[in-house]
Amino acid sequence: DSGVTQTPKHLITATGQRVTLRCSPRSGDLSVYWYQQSLDQGLQFLIQYYNGEERAKGNILERFSAQQFPDLHSELNLSSLELGDSALYFCASGRSQGANNYGYTFGSGTRLTVV
Amino acid sequence: GENVEQHPSTLSVQEGDSAVIKCTYSDSASNYFPWYKQELGKRPQLIIDIRSNVGEKKDQRIAVTLNKTAKHFSLHITETQPEDSAVYFCAASYGGSQGNLIFGKGTKLSVKP
Repeated sequence: DSGVTQTPKHLITATGQRVTLRCSPRSGDLSVYWYQQSLDQGLQFLIQYYNGEERAKGNILERFSAQQFPDLHSELNLSSLELGDSALYFCASGRSQGANNYGYTFGSGTRLTVV
Repeated sequence: GENVEQHPSTLSVQEGDSAVIKCTYSDSASNYFPWYKQELGKRPQLIIDIRSNVGEKKDQRIAVTLNKTAKHFSLHITETQPEDSAVYFCAASYGGSQGNLIFGKGTKLSVKP
């Protein structure tokens, strides 16, 4: 157990639908990062939140949105789903103290299948 | 913007041989360089990391070297085993103290018995 919890583990839904993926970061980590990984592809950075505020955006589609709540858990909302949105979605949490970076810890991911 | 290039994209070795994966980074302020291993269908997991005040770090069969002047770092795996087969990602820190990482595109390592 990495300490980063993602739910659900698997999700199958139809095109045009909307889903919500949830992530609880490791205790003490203020940053949450969302990544999309399609089959045999690398880690595509979507968005970062830090202590409730959006801090960085990557290649996130307008159909996708995210937020981080006061208890630091985060949700990624995917709407108007298309077949090409099928992928593994990872959440990672991270911490840094001053100049010391401690890297990311990844959750186990949510496998989204759009049919 | 910041960028991390990783080579090769695929690497096939015989069991017992060594494997080397190389990365270059663009942000001269980067000071933290982790490596992640991702087995098929699983989450990326940190296997080793190095900070900019160190030139080399070893942990059993894996080692990482850093050349700050040339802005490149490498992962070395010795005496490879079939269970080393996975995708390996390098990363470099950027953005000051926020702790953000930028990842390379990954190297798929296959170790043949």
